[in-house]
Order: sequence, then C-alpha cells, then structure tokens
Amino acid sequence: EPEVTQTPSHQVTQMGQEVILRCVPISNHLYFYWYRQILGQKVEFLVSFYNNEISEKSEIFDDQFSVERPDGSNFTLKIRSTKLEDSAMYFCASSQTWTSGGAGAYNEQFFGPGTRLTVL
Amino acid sequence: GENVGLHLPTLSVQEGDNSIINCAYSNSASDYFIWYKQESGKGPQFIIDIRSNMDKRQGQRVTVLLNKTVKHLSLQIAATQPGDSAVYFCAENTATDSWGKLQFGAGTQVVVTP
Repeated sequence: EPEVTQTPSHQVTQMGQEVILRCVPISNHLYFYWYRQILGQKVEFLVSFYNNEISEKSEIFDDQFSVERPDGSNFTLKIRSTKLEDSAMYFCASSQTWTSGGAGAYNEQFFGPGTRLTVL
Repeated sequence: GENVGLHLPTLSVQEGDNSIINCAYSNSASDYFIWYKQESGKGPQFIIDIRSNMDKRQGQRVTVLLNKTVKHLSLQIAATQPGDSAVYFCAENTATDSWGKLQFGAGTQVVVTP
C-alpha cells in the first residue's frame, strides 16, 4: 500500500539553526500539507500546497517557515531560524485531491510517520 | 500557552465491548468531519469521514454520527479489540475558506483491557 514517508525520523538542532524536513508524498497525490503536534497537544495545521504554491497557511506559519516541492517527488518544510518553541512532531500529509465539502477516498489525507524536531 | 500540558480524556473499554468516542466542534460553518486514530509514535490514520449533509455513515466496525444541531460528532467502534487502543481525534474542515485545512480536536485516549 502506498504511504507517505518522512526523513529524518528525529532531528536535533541548536536554536537559531536552519532545518529542512523532508517528505515524499504518495505519488499520484496533488495536494500536500504540513501539520505539527507539540508534545501532549493537538495536531495543528501549518500549510497546504497545491500546483506549486501555498493554498492556505495558519498563523503559526510565519516568515521563518517555507515549503518547497523541489522535484516531482519531494515536499520540504524549512524553518530558517529555529526557536525552542518549534520543538514538536512535524507531520506531512497528502491527498489525491481536495473537493470542497467533499468526503470519501479522494479527499483522504494520508499522514506520514512524522519527524520529531528537538531544538536545544 | 493554550493547551499546554493537555490531559487527554481516557476511555477504558473491555475487549469485545462497543466504544463510543465523543467530540464537540465549535464552528457551525464546518461541513466535513473526519475521525483519525493515532497510535504511539505514528502519524494520524484516517478512519472514517462524513459530510454535513449526512447524519450517519458506517464503515467496517465503525460508525460516525453527526448532530449538527448541537455540533456533536461521535465515533462508535463495535467489538473493540486490543489493536483499537490509541488516541482518537476528530477533525473538521470548513469548505468555504480552506484548502484541505483540518482543525483537530483534543483527542481521546482509548485503552482496551482484556
């Protein structure tokens, strides 16, 4: 069964450093997402991406964050200057499509296993 | 900050019994709802979804009920198994102003006992 993969599984970095989290979405999916989950808290939406541009972003996704699809398979999240509060599990997700008010297989967002980011 | 040290409500269920997990949502404009299961150390896994024009949808061993009047969503799991032990999240989407943005609830920890 196709799945979303993410690397690395755990990233440790120093405050102020740049990190790039990598994701390989499911191959025939067109919509891509990043979410994060601070330990013990709910999953929070960061950004959605379609047709090589950001479709929507949350308040969390400030100028320190950027996303890119550098080639036909990878989808990356970059944090330019990490802060302690960026420590979280970051999940990439993808869906085949997104239909407003829709339901069913085409809208299903498949999540990757996550990258645990620890900022020291 | 908000939800720091969030303590998840826990539902303890005996193996073989039915489970009911509840979720209250706040946005009356939400029109698409999904239940996700998250096992320890893994990403959320899709269980079942429902549109706002429906009040019930059934899958394999799971049923989702939607009550828009009181903004309440529930997930029923029939014949709960040890593999059902996980955190369950409801998520909502508002089609008119989002591109796939899912708003997750706080989650419920389900513990299945033998």
